[in-house]
This record gives sequence, structure tokens and C-alpha cells, in this order.
Amino acid sequence: DAKTTQPTSMDCAEGRAANLPCNHSTISGNEYVYWYRQIHSQGPQYIIHGLKNNETNEMASLIITEDRKSSTLILPHATLRDTAVYYCIPQPNAGGTSYGKLTFGQGTILTVHP
Amino acid sequence: DAGITQSPRHKVTETGTPVTLRCHQTENHRYMYWYRQDPGHGLRLIHYSYGVKDTDKGEVSDGYSVSRSKTEDFLLTLESATSSQTSVYFCAIRRAGELFFGEGSRLTVL
Repeated sequence: DAKTTQPTSMDCAEGRAANLPCNHSTISGNEYVYWYRQIHSQGPQYIIHGLKNNETNEMASLIITEDRKSSTLILPHATLRDTAVYYCIPQPNAGGTSYGKLTFGQGTILTVHP
Repeated sequence: DAGITQSPRHKVTETGTPVTLRCHQTENHRYMYWYRQDPGHGLRLIHYSYGVKDTDKGEVSDGYSVSRSKTEDFLLTLESATSSQTSVYFCAIRRAGELFFGEGSRLTVL
């Protein structure tokens, strides 16, 4: 299983872009990069995922480096409600021996300040 | 809303008693998961299931057992609860690759 490295914590001013990095240098060719966030005491929430192309949805953008060893989640205009723990997780998107077992790292605590 | 219900949502029990947490889904997904969350440890996988009667261990499976006798229910059992199992337990289903989580069950073992 690929392992990830994320900053323990980050701060961001409200209205500014929050850029959350993730290193996943051992990611496998069939593994997508998934991002989730967990707002205080709630269950984690899916944000976005990608394989090798950049992706954007209504919540965020995902930039994946060409070598796929790292990615950055971008919240373009952070609000106070974006304060949460953000997790980056490589996940295979097809069947295989590692498909089922999904583990989370420590994630990044993002604090958005007024 | 992915149709996941956890019960009970809150439980206080004493050391040595058995406890069963239930995760119920309404969408017939194959994969279901149990995680626990403790301060300073993030989310840790306990067990997961990939079908009826098909389960596998996660990172922290000692002291826990699971059962899945029908697609919609995934049960987590603490045979003899210990204070170290005081935690918030999250169930999740996997839908099209994405995990969808329940609201959590807060267990306190005195």
C-alpha cells in the first residue's frame, strides 16, 4: 500500500486559496488519489479524486504532478466552514488484492482564520 | 446521503461487557468498513467486508469481531469491552470508489 505524507497543520486566511500538499511517492499505477475531509466530530466527506490529470469540481481542484508522486488540493476561496482535517488517500479503483483495505493517515488540520 | 445508519449513536458500558454496534445500509453496496477514531490517532481501520460472510482485518482488529450475514448489515462486536476501546466508531460504505460515512457511534467503556 502506498503511504502518504501530509503537513500536520496549516493555516489560511478566509477568502484566500488554501493549498494542501500530499506526498505519495510510492503510489501504484492503478491507484487514484482521493481526498476527504472531516469536520469536527462528523464522518469524513469525499471531496475529489484523480488519476493523473488535474480535476475540478464544485468543492475543490486537484493538481497531480506528472510523475504522480505528489498532489495538491486547492480550496480556491477558503471559508471558516472549511476548517477541518484533510486526508489524502491512494485508492485502487479496480479489483485486486489491495482494493478493499483502505487506511487513512493523520491528515492535515486546516484552520481558516477570519 | 448514502443511506447509512449506525446504532446505537451513543453507548456507555462497563468493562468486561459485550457490545455490538450495527451499521445498516439501504443501497446494497458490497464493501463496508468499520473505523475507530481517537485523539492523536486519526481514523484507523478495524475490519472491513467485501460481501456477505466475507470480511478481513484492518490495522487495529484485536479485541473486535465482525459479522455480515446479509448485505445491508455489518456488525461490530466487542466481546469483552475494555477502557481502551472507548472511542468514536465510524461505519462506511464504498460506492463507485468513494467512501461514505455514517454519523458515528460514541462508545464509552467505564
